[in-house]
Amino acid sequence: DSGVTQTPKHLITATGQRVTLRCSPRSGDLSVYWYQQSLDQGLQFLIHYYNGEERAKGNILERFSAQQFPDLHSELNLSSLELGDSALYFCASSPTSSGPNEQFFGPGTRLTVL
Amino acid sequence: DQQVKQNSPSLSVQEGRISILNCDYTNSMFDYFLWYKKYPAEGPTFLISISSIKDKNEDGRFTVFLNKSAKHLSLHIVPSQPGDSAVYFCAASAPTNAGKSTFGDGTTLTVKP
Repeated sequence: DSGVTQTPKHLITATGQRVTLRCSPRSGDLSVYWYQQSLDQGLQFLIHYYNGEERAKGNILERFSAQQFPDLHSELNLSSLELGDSALYFCASSPTSSGPNEQFFGPGTRLTVL
Repeated sequence: DQQVKQNSPSLSVQEGRISILNCDYTNSMFDYFLWYKKYPAEGPTFLISISSIKDKNEDGRFTVFLNKSAKHLSLHIVPSQPGDSAVYFCAASAPTNAGKSTFGDGTTLTVKP
């Protein structure tokens, strides 16, 4: 158990809908990262938050947005969903904002868009 | 433009033998490299890392080698055990954006008893 929790575990929805994925980092970790893993592919970095502030953005679509709240949990909002958005979405946390560091991953949310 | 590549999607080895997983990168700014292991239905877990100032880092059965001139790193598992069967991801970060790790597509390792 990494200490990172993600809800829900599974989500099935229809095209055009909007969903929110939630992540609680390990106790004491200030950084939260979001990744997308499509079928048989690597983890694509989406966005990094540190203590409530956005620190880095990857190839995140404009239909996607995220935020980190004062209690450090984070939410990833996906809107106008398309079939291609079906993927595993992982959240990870780490104690620092800079410098190389290992990340602790949650179990992921599997999103299926029908 | 895939900056971190794991060219072998899968690898099968016999229990007790050595497993060698390879990773190539193109971005010369990368200075820190990590290996993660992932079991089905779980998130990746950190395995071992190496800084670019080193060429080898060892942790028990796991050793990572870094060849900066070739932009290549490898993970050696000796001896391999059936419980090592998992997907292994190579990741890299650059000092200009150390919070962001760039991942390879992963290699599925199967260790046969």
